[in-house]
Amino acid sequence: KAGVTQTPRYLIKTRGQQVTLSCSPISGHRSVSWYQQTPGQGLQFLFEYFSETQRNKGNFPGRFSGRQFSNSRSEMNVSTLELGDSALYLCASSLILATSTDTQYFGPGTRLTVL
Amino acid sequence: QKEVEQDPGPLSVPEGAIVSLNCTYSNSAFQYFMWYRQYSRKGPELLMYTYSSGNKEDGRFTAQVDKSSKYISLFIRDSQPSDSATYLCAMSAVGGKLIFGQGTELSVKP
Repeated sequence: KAGVTQTPRYLIKTRGQQVTLSCSPISGHRSVSWYQQTPGQGLQFLFEYFSETQRNKGNFPGRFSGRQFSNSRSEMNVSTLELGDSALYLCASSLILATSTDTQYFGPGTRLTVL
Repeated sequence: QKEVEQDPGPLSVPEGAIVSLNCTYSNSAFQYFMWYRQYSRKGPELLMYTYSSGNKEDGRFTAQVDKSSKYISLFIRDSQPSDSATYLCAMSAVGGKLIFGQGTELSVKP
């Protein structure tokens, strides 16, 4: 069974640009969560999508947005990039809602560098 | 102050040592406690999951939760070089989002 895939794996952008990251969950999984991982702040929850609807949101500015398609694939968009957005962006999928009892499976992440 | 505090290390131990990793938290509503392992250039993978207080053992790994002290631990017995990774604690309230610690980088030397 294929795991969670994320594309691209590496990305370099400049300040002010926008970026779109993609995540394909494990087949049959309906929930996709996004996280930002930085050395200073660690792993922080961005948002969760289930059945194409955002179900939960972390404390990030509106420049961070996402969506989920009918096949459960998800995209995350960051507009007007700032230097502080440089991070590893991780996607995690779970069978149902990413509740406390449902295991989340993480992808390898997309390493975003903003210059 | 962060909801979950974890010493980032790095922690270096010789092969065969017992490793103790810890996290403290401030939110008394947390009921679910997890430990994830993250190898370099990989996403985190779930290692241990505990509900409420108590101990849980899985092979060389033991997770402990002390809700009265708001303190959780992960013990690794007979540590191996393949255990070298970053270990993240994570916890949540019922139906809540996962809050992660900063991660402890562990290196097990042969």
